[in-house]
Amino acid sequence: EVQLVQSGAEVKKPGESLKISCKGSGYSFTSYWIGWVRQMPGKGLEWMGIIYPGDSDTRYSPSFQGQVTISADKSISTAYLQWSSLKASDTAMYYCARIGAGTPYNAFDIWGQGTMVTVSS
Amino acid sequence: EIVMTQSPATLSVSPGERATLSCRASQSVSSNLAWYQQKPGQAPRLLIYGASTRATGIPARFSGSGSGTEFTLTISSLQSEDFAVYYCQQYNNWPKTFGQGTKVEIK
Repeated sequence: EVQLVQSGAEVKKPGESLKISCKGSGYSFTSYWIGWVRQMPGKGLEWMGIIYPGDSDTRYSPSFQGQVTISADKSISTAYLQWSSLKASDTAMYYCARIGAGTPYNAFDIWGQGTMVTVSS
Repeated sequence: EIVMTQSPATLSVSPGERATLSCRASQSVSSNLAWYQQKPGQAPRLLIYGASTRATGIPARFSGSGSGTEFTLTISSLQSEDFAVYYCQQYNNWPKTFGQGTKVEIK
């Protein structure tokens, strides 16, 4: 079964760092782009950026460039989303999702279950 | 950045009725458009890609149409499990933006 399994919920304080993960299984992890999508409480979906684990080619939305870092470790089929200094406005559900082809020009066909990040003093 | 505008924001429909959701792009995205369904507390699920191709396992009552800047998702006969929020997404240009969503609720 093709699936993406994300790390568990996090509660952090402003200024702290964080790295959440997304582990792929059931397919060739290095052959598909993986993306991250933010959903703030009660709001819609926001496309953050994507990475190709095969060569770590990474693209960011201008809204998130410089705010987060997307990476991947192909040896363990895992993608990451990290923050160096969290803000309260980073409180959201974060989804990873696979792009359904070897090109970034396709839809997200497989989604992780989501990781809730709460940032509060 | 391409802006995706969905209408209406909320659609009230009775079970068994037809639902028509719209998505408009601020510039042409060709047929590089997807539709997703999201139920409360769940991750989104891909329904349609390429503007009109149903994803694996998606019932035939879901259909997509359109190209360029105007797109439609039609649910031919609403079932109880179809009440949810629906998002369109263009993947033709960077960044690959989503619409703000249409909530389909029970009338």
